[in-house]
Amino acid sequence: GQQVMQIPQYQHVQEGEDFTTYCNSSTTLSNIQWYKQRPGGHPVFLIQLVKSGEVKKQKRLTFQFGEAKKNSSLHITATQTTDVGTYFCAGQRAGNQFYFGTGTSLTVIP
Amino acid sequence: DTAVSQTPKYLVTQMGNDKSIKCEQNLGHDTMYWYKQDSKKFLKIMFSYNNKELIINETVPNRFSPKSPDKAHLNLHINSLELGDSAVYFCASSQGWGGSNQPQHFGDGTRLSIL
Repeated sequence: GQQVMQIPQYQHVQEGEDFTTYCNSSTTLSNIQWYKQRPGGHPVFLIQLVKSGEVKKQKRLTFQFGEAKKNSSLHITATQTTDVGTYFCAGQRAGNQFYFGTGTSLTVIP
Repeated sequence: DTAVSQTPKYLVTQMGNDKSIKCEQNLGHDTMYWYKQDSKKFLKIMFSYNNKELIINETVPNRFSPKSPDKAHLNLHINSLELGDSAVYFCASSQGWGGSNQPQHFGDGTRLSIL
């Protein structure tokens, strides 16, 4: 089946430091979605990327889709304690369901 | 109003028992899903239904049986519960069919613990 891996699995940062999680697929994707799951909560949709090389920003969050549409990244600038949670990418091949990545759990140390 | 609601929120039961989890969505979505999230946070799709029809059935033991009485409901029945079934089970829904690129909306999860 489709494999979507994320690295790192865990990341601890000091508040104010930047954070990046990387998502890699074994196959070319038609689009990719990103979700955030707060501790004890449920995944919440953040954004979707469709075009090769696409970059989207949401305040301190920057999302990028690779040129080959096989990888993606989420970068958070100047982390805050509210950024704590697990970030998932979910990749889709055309006409197929989404497969969630393995997730990156972010801890922000105040 | 809760968009995707699951009951119960917590389920603690003995090995070997049979239990059900219910899910309802009021978003008017066509597709509903069941996911299993283990202790390492891996989120694995189990089933997907589109307008009451099963469209995704990943490699899941046949002790797990989904039922969709209508497109707003997707229930999950589990027979002969095993220790490895302990996890958080999430229901989700999305517009369009399972292969469309619409965002998924998740319920709060059901935390299943097997004693």
